[in-house]
Amino acid sequence: RKEVEQDPGPFNVPEGATVAFNCTYSNSASQSFFWYRQDCRKEPKLLMSVYSSGNEDGRFTAQLNRASQYISLLIRDSKLSDSATYLCVVRGAGGTSYGKLTFGQGTILTVHP
Amino acid sequence: GAVVSQHPSWVICKSGTSVKIECRSLDFQATTMFWYRQFPKQSLMLMATSNEGSKATYEQGVEKDKFLINHASLTLSTLTVTSAHPEDSSFYICSAELGTGEQFFGPGTRLTVL
Repeated sequence: RKEVEQDPGPFNVPEGATVAFNCTYSNSASQSFFWYRQDCRKEPKLLMSVYSSGNEDGRFTAQLNRASQYISLLIRDSKLSDSATYLCVVRGAGGTSYGKLTFGQGTILTVHP
Repeated sequence: GAVVSQHPSWVICKSGTSVKIECRSLDFQATTMFWYRQFPKQSLMLMATSNEGSKATYEQGVEKDKFLINHASLTLSTLTVTSAHPEDSSFYICSAELGTGEQFFGPGTRLTVL
């Protein structure tokens, strides 16, 4: 089982749509969770951290379920500029994994007019 | 957010040569930096953790004698790909960690070995 698994998509949605991405992780001791976005041939950029209570940043809402080891990202009112690959990222908790980020394979989103 | 730079942004070299890539944290100090590699249509894979003033920690399967890492100051880490071969062609990305645990990434270096 992969450490971090995402639905690779691709997701192809019209502008204004709501889209949700799911992610699961295998290490129950994982410490921190993030969503990054990566544009083609660019570096990943932090979109948002994911907190246990859930958090929202404008059109983006992230949820974490530690019991199910599940993370989600909801994008409302999609814009053309949201087209990118969305990476679910988990930070290791302890031992040799401490501080290390493990990336999911990414979910490709294309928003069309 | 924090700014991380990388140099060069792209490099083409002949097989057998060595290539040095620099990673700098521009507006903060980073005791820990990370080096990743990303092949086409794949996600980032951690190669090594670079610690200022000490030896780097390499991930399983990454040859430390081939990928030399030096973290001589709190704002600079370098990755040298020694005796590069075509299979080393990839997108190399560094990141620097803030005290909050968030990592900010450099813009990446695209290496092509002929």
